[in-house]
Amino acid sequence: EPEVTQTPSHQVTQMGQEVILRCVPISNHLYFYWYRQILGQKVEFLVSFYNNEISEKSEIFDDQFSVERPDGSNFTLKIRSTKLEDSAMYFCASSVFDPGGADTQYFGPGTRLTVL
Amino acid sequence: QKEVEQNSGPLSVPEGAIASLNCTYSDRGSQSFFWYRQYSGKSPELIMFIYSNGDKEDGRFTAQLNKASQYVSLLIRDSQPSDSATYLCAVRGGGFKTIFGAGTRLFVKA
Repeated sequence: EPEVTQTPSHQVTQMGQEVILRCVPISNHLYFYWYRQILGQKVEFLVSFYNNEISEKSEIFDDQFSVERPDGSNFTLKIRSTKLEDSAMYFCASSVFDPGGADTQYFGPGTRLTVL
Repeated sequence: QKEVEQNSGPLSVPEGAIASLNCTYSDRGSQSFFWYRQYSGKSPELIMFIYSNGDKEDGRFTAQLNKASQYVSLLIRDSQPSDSATYLCAVRGGGFKTIFGAGTRLFVKA
């Protein structure tokens, strides 16, 4: 069964460093998402991406964050200068249908980001 | 601020019983409603989605939606120990942003 994959599974970085989290969505999916979940807290929407551009973003997704689909398979989240409060689990998700219709998002296993 | 509220639990039910999980949401413009299951340390897994008022059944799961009351519920029949997890209610308006509740922890006692 196709699945969303994410690398690395765990990333440790120093405050102020840049990190890139990588995702490979399911191959025929057209909509891509990043979420984060701080330990013990809610899953929070960060950004959605369709047709090579951001379709919607949350207040969390400020200028420190960017997303890119550098090739036909990868979808990346970059955090330019990490802060302690960026420590969280980051989930990538993908879906095939228009979000206004029958949309099933498949989540990847997540990348745990630890900022020291 | 659009909110999705859930009782954090834990909700404890014996094996074979019906577990009832509830969720309320603040945005009347919400259009799509989802229930996810999340095991500790794992990613959310979609159980069901519902768009229209009423009930939707899928195996042991039934989702119920009442848009007038801004209320969504999930019933799990014949609960099994493997159902023990955190259940996340999620809501979406007409766009791409999905808002999640904090989740209800369910324990099914063998």
